[in-house]
Amino acid sequence: DIQMTQSPSSLSAFVGDRVTITCQASQDISNCLNWYQQKPGKAPKLLIYDASNLETGVPSRFSGSGSGTDFTFTISSLRPEDIGTYYCQQYDNLPPTFGQGTRLEIK
Amino acid sequence: QVQLVQSGAEVKKPGASVKVSCEASGYTFTTFYIHWVRQAPGQGLEWLAMINPTGGSTTYAQRFQGRVTVTRDTSASTVYMALSSLRSADTAVYYCTRGSNIAVAATFKYWGQGTRVTVSS
Repeated sequence: DIQMTQSPSSLSAFVGDRVTITCQASQDISNCLNWYQQKPGKAPKLLIYDASNLETGVPSRFSGSGSGTDFTFTISSLRPEDIGTYYCQQYDNLPPTFGQGTRLEIK
Repeated sequence: QVQLVQSGAEVKKPGASVKVSCEASGYTFTTFYIHWVRQAPGQGLEWLAMINPTGGSTTYAQRFQGRVTVTRDTSASTVYMALSSLRSADTAVYYCTRGSNIAVAATFKYWGQGTRVTVSS
């Protein structure tokens, strides 16, 4: 199985800050990488697909980049409603695998 | 609109089995794979299995082989996930989610509301 290493595991930032989360795959996955946001008690929500494509309806402050083994997820200007846990997920090979998550809080 | 509606919460004793359903609507049921993902309390997301609703072919995560069975009823647009020999570590919220029409292209835009399964003596 492909291992996805996500960092940091948690972070705290101010409203308006630029926030970056990284995800590293254990092997080349091309651009087969998605990013999800999950709020407590809710199902994950797809934000970014194919490493850099913004899902319809998702605010443009969210973005993704990278290919191969190294990927980055960015929130350009943090808003209070962005709190939650973020996961990367690869789908280059079965089984699909997720990073361990990044818990984002507001300072 | 696409909807995936799951069955209600379950409480089971260790060693028992559970069967969770996922009814799809708002699209052609046989077009897209359905996957199952679980989340233990305070933990991350873990993929269990998937099914091709067209022919019923399945793929399971190796660590669940022999314990998980996914089936579908095309007349009811419903997928079922059964997990046997339950232990406390299986306590989790189980989600069904819709993939794409290609097995490996597992991008999950649509999710069920989740079914909490509690395993306790």
